[in-house]
Amino acid sequence: DVKVTQSSRYLVKRTGEKVFLECVQDMDHENMFWYRQDPGLGLRLIYFSYDVKMKEKGDIPEGYSVSREKKERFSLILESASTNQTSMYLCASRISDRVEQFFGPGTRLTVL
Amino acid sequence: AQSVTQLGSHVSVSEGALVLLRCNYSSSVPPYLFWYVQYPNQGLQLLLKYTSAATLVKGINGFEAEFKKSETSFHLTKPSAHMSDAAEYFCAVSDIKRGKIIFGSGTRLSIRP
Repeated sequence: DVKVTQSSRYLVKRTGEKVFLECVQDMDHENMFWYRQDPGLGLRLIYFSYDVKMKEKGDIPEGYSVSREKKERFSLILESASTNQTSMYLCASRISDRVEQFFGPGTRLTVL
Repeated sequence: AQSVTQLGSHVSVSEGALVLLRCNYSSSVPPYLFWYVQYPNQGLQLLLKYTSAATLVKGINGFEAEFKKSETSFHLTKPSAHMSDAAEYFCAVSDIKRGKIIFGSGTRLSIRP
C-alpha cells in the first residue's frame, strides 16, 4: 500500500511565524501535491511538483512556497503565517502514468 | 477548463436506505472521474475511478458510480446505507495530460439509525 505521511496532525502557530509542513511518500512517486481544504470549498491546489527540484503553482499559491530536494519529500512553507491560512492541509502523491492521487492524513493548522 | 458540481452539501438517509450522491462535471476533453471519501480527521481515500473503460464503475465498500456522457454526470450510489458510511464525499475530475485533479465542494453524508 502507498503510504503518505505528514509531519503533524495538529499545529498551532502565531501570526508572522514561519511554518514548515512536511510530507513524505514511500512509493517512489514522481508527482506530489499540496492542497488546502476549507468547509464548502472542497480542496484547492496550492503547489505541485512533477519531480525533484521542480515545482509549479496551483490555483492559490499566494503566501506559500514549496521545496522538493528529495523525491520522497515535499515541503510546504508559510513564510509569514496569517490567520487566513488557518485550514486543513493535505498532501498527495501519484505515479506519473496513473491518474489517481494518494493522500496523507492531513495537518490541521491554526494561526492565532 | 474542467469543473465539478456536487448537488447538495449535506445528504441524510436512514440506515438500510439507498444512498445517492450527485455529481455533474464539465470537461473539454474526455475526463477521468473519481469519488473520494473522507472520514472524520482523516485524509482522502479513493472510492472508485472512471477512466473511459466500463461506464458502470464499482468501488470499495459497496459503492458504484455510472458515467453518463449525455448528462455529464457521475452520480455515486449504494443500495443500502450503513452507519459506517457517514463521511464526506468528494467528486473530482482530471485529465491524464495535466495530472491535476479538480475537486467538488463535497457532500456530507449522515446516516440516521
